[in-house]
Amino acid sequence: DSGVTQTPKHLITATGQRVTLRCSPRSGDLSVYWYQQSLDQGLQFLIQYYNGEERAKGNILERFSAQQFPDLHSELNLSSLELGDSALYFCASSLTLGQGNPGELFFGEGSRLTVL
Amino acid sequence: LAKTTQPISMDSYEGQEVNITCSHNNIATNDYITWYQQFPSQGPRFIIQGYKTKVTNEVASLFIPADRKSSTLSLPRVSLSDTAVYYCLVGEGKLIFGQGTELSVKP
Repeated sequence: DSGVTQTPKHLITATGQRVTLRCSPRSGDLSVYWYQQSLDQGLQFLIQYYNGEERAKGNILERFSAQQFPDLHSELNLSSLELGDSALYFCASSLTLGQGNPGELFFGEGSRLTVL
Repeated sequence: LAKTTQPISMDSYEGQEVNITCSHNNIATNDYITWYQQFPSQGPRFIIQGYKTKVTNEVASLFIPADRKSSTLSLPRVSLSDTAVYYCLVGEGKLIFGQGTELSVKP
């Protein structure tokens, strides 16, 4: 158990719909990262938050948005869903030591999104 | 942002030592190097992290030459359960996992 909780574990929805994925980081971790992993693909970096502020951004689609709340949990919102958005979405958290050291990332079990 | 390059795949046999090398030519002065292991449908798991020279823990060693433009993850005496994808990452912030190296351990 990494200490990172992601909900829901599985989600099936239709094209054009909107979903929200939730992530609770490990106690004390200030950074939250979101990754997308499609079938047989590598992990695609979406976005990082640190203590409520966006810190780094990857090739996140405009249809996707995220935020980190004051209690440090984070949500990833995916809208106008397309078939190609079907993937495993991972959240990770870390203490983030700074100065080139990200600390150890702890990953959740992921949320598997299926768009039909 | 340092780009990493790793072999796409490697094969080994149980009991052998496996070395996976990652190239990161434009690593920044402060960047740390971190390696992760991922099994199918699971989130990556931290293996080891280092800044220079050699780091060893209970599962692996990490060798970093003086110029820090590459690093080598060494897995001693691999077993079937080490079959996984291995990623090297550099720095912090926008942490790109890249393609990774798919290690296949055979009996």
